[in-house]
Amino acid sequence: RKEVEQDPGPFNVPEGATVAFNCTYSNSASQSFFWYRQDCRKEPKLLMSVYSSGNEDGRFTAQLNRASQYISLLIRDSKLSDSATYLCVVNSPPSRGSNYQLIWGAGTKLIIKP
Amino acid sequence: EPEVTQTPSHQVTQMGQEVILRCVPISNHLYFYWYRQILGQKVEFLVSFYNNEISEKSEIFDDQFSVERPDGSNFTLKIRSTKLEDSAMYFCASSEASGTYEQYFGPGTRLTVT
Repeated sequence: RKEVEQDPGPFNVPEGATVAFNCTYSNSASQSFFWYRQDCRKEPKLLMSVYSSGNEDGRFTAQLNRASQYISLLIRDSKLSDSATYLCVVNSPPSRGSNYQLIWGAGTKLIIKP
Repeated sequence: EPEVTQTPSHQVTQMGQEVILRCVPISNHLYFYWYRQILGQKVEFLVSFYNNEISEKSEIFDDQFSVERPDGSNFTLKIRSTKLEDSAMYFCASSEASGTYEQYFGPGTRLTVT
């Protein structure tokens, strides 16, 4: 089983629609969860951290279900500029050293169409 | 807004040559990271660095790779005897602390090994 699993997409969505991404992770000891977005050939940029109680930032809502080891991201009223790859990122306890490691999903590609 | 910077933006080298990729992390951050992303694939963790030593490294980070913080601002990744399969984007990131803290990425160096 992959450590962090996402549907690769692409999701083709009309502008203004609501779109949801899901992500599952395998390590139950993971403590922190993030959504990053990555534009083509650019660096990943932090979109939001995901908290146990769920959190919202404008049109974006992230939720965490620890029991099911599942994270979601909802984008409402999607804009053309939301087109990107959305990366689910989970921290993993150190195997040898002392630092938690970020484990990255392969990303879900989102294409917003006018 | 403070940001991570990386130089060069693109490096072309011949197989077997050594390359040094440079990064200037955000000034008050204490943890530094290198990642790579082969074109079309997911982001892969290479190494984390804290207090002038490696705190965690992946299986990818073998004897061919080394990291250094030669002064108070730069953080470098050296790849000795480059191979064709080292061609990728290399991202530097930094964070205030490890574990739950968000990591912020530089724009990346595209390494092309011919």
